[in-house]
Order: sequence, then structure tokens, then C-alpha cells
Amino acid sequence: AQRVTQPEKLLSVFKGAPVELKCNYSYSGSPELFWYVQYSRQRLQLLLRHISRESIKGFTADLNKGETSFHLKKPFAQEEDSAMYYCALLSGAGSYQLTFGKGTKLSVIP
Amino acid sequence: DTEVTQTPKHLVMGMTNKKSLKCEQHMGHRAMYWYKQKAKKPPELMFVYSYEKLSINESVPSRFSPECPNSSLLNLHLHALQPEDSALYLCASSQKEGTSYEQYFGPGTRLTVT
Repeated sequence: AQRVTQPEKLLSVFKGAPVELKCNYSYSGSPELFWYVQYSRQRLQLLLRHISRESIKGFTADLNKGETSFHLKKPFAQEEDSAMYYCALLSGAGSYQLTFGKGTKLSVIP
Repeated sequence: DTEVTQTPKHLVMGMTNKKSLKCEQHMGHRAMYWYKQKAKKPPELMFVYSYEKLSINESVPSRFSPECPNSSLLNLHLHALQPEDSALYLCASSQKEGTSYEQYFGPGTRLTVT
């Protein structure tokens, strides 16, 4: 069975400080991993997907198969980054089953 | 059009009412989803439609009845709901071919059952 673990329910950082939101997964095959973000009163939005290896809003995430991790990082946090972040796993190409972690609420202190 | 739209935004219904939630996308996606999201929790999958056919029903009570009239529309019919069904109901869609299968979410319908 697949599982996504986000160990921190809440993460508070000061503006300008580095941010790392942790995500570990458990899946025997080749997963597709995503980070979704939900700003207050806004829809759930795709932030990053591991296959594209891109940087969005200054965030990056690298898939580490050895450690089964997909941590989200940003070198300098901004106040507008405050939101709920969900790590999610899709069990292979064409799969429907998107498994979400419990989410980490990021609070950036001005 | 690169968005998933949902109507209504808010819905209050009594336990004996019948209502429907609607979802629409024009991205050519052939998979559509209903999720339920309680406050401060991740979305929970309810139903999946693939090519307008029900593919997955995650043991959802029969008081929730999905319908996919065509490739762009997805409905969720509600009847005899319970107060614990109050939640944000999210619709999502994704491609079925190609290299990217990420799901795109609508803004949700906030349902309150009284």
C-alpha cells in the first residue's frame, strides 16, 4: 500500500529564512510525486511535480529514491508563502489514485 | 480554458433535501474525480470517472450519487445527507494519455447539512 508522510503539522519560519517541508513516501513501484498548495480561501493548486524538475515561486523539490523523500525547499521564505502544503503520490503513469499526506501548514512570520 | 469550475460555491441543505453539485472542465481531460475535504485535512477520494464511466467508488454511501453526462461535466447528486457530510467537495480532472497525469482541482463547493 502506498503512503505519504508529512511529519510536521505546522512549520513557522521568519521571512527571509530557508524553508524545508518534509515528505517521505512508501511505494514499491515508480511513483509520481507532487506538491500541492492551498492558500487561504483558494483552490488546491499544483505547485511542483517531480518529473518536470522545475522551480516554481522559488520552490524546488528533488526526488530521492534512496531515502524515499521528496522534500520541498525554498532558500528565502516570503510572507505570501504562508499556506497549507500537501505532498501527494500517484502510483504510476495512468493511475487515478492520488494519495495525499496530511499536510503542513507553513506560517511565515514578518 | 484551463480551469475546473464548480457550482454552487456554497450550499446549505436539510437532511431531507435533494440537491446536486456540478463540475465542468474544458481541458479535454478524460478522467474526473470527486473528493471530500474536511477542515484542516487532506482531500479524500470519493469517485473517479474515466471516459465517462465510473472507475472507482471508494465505498461511498449511496446518499451520494455521481453522474458524468459527457466528457466535460461531472455531477454529484445528494439525498438524505447527514450533518457529518458537511465538508468542502472538490472536483478534479486529469489527462488519461501522455506523460503528465497531474490532477487539476476546482475551487470546491462548501456544503453544510443542517
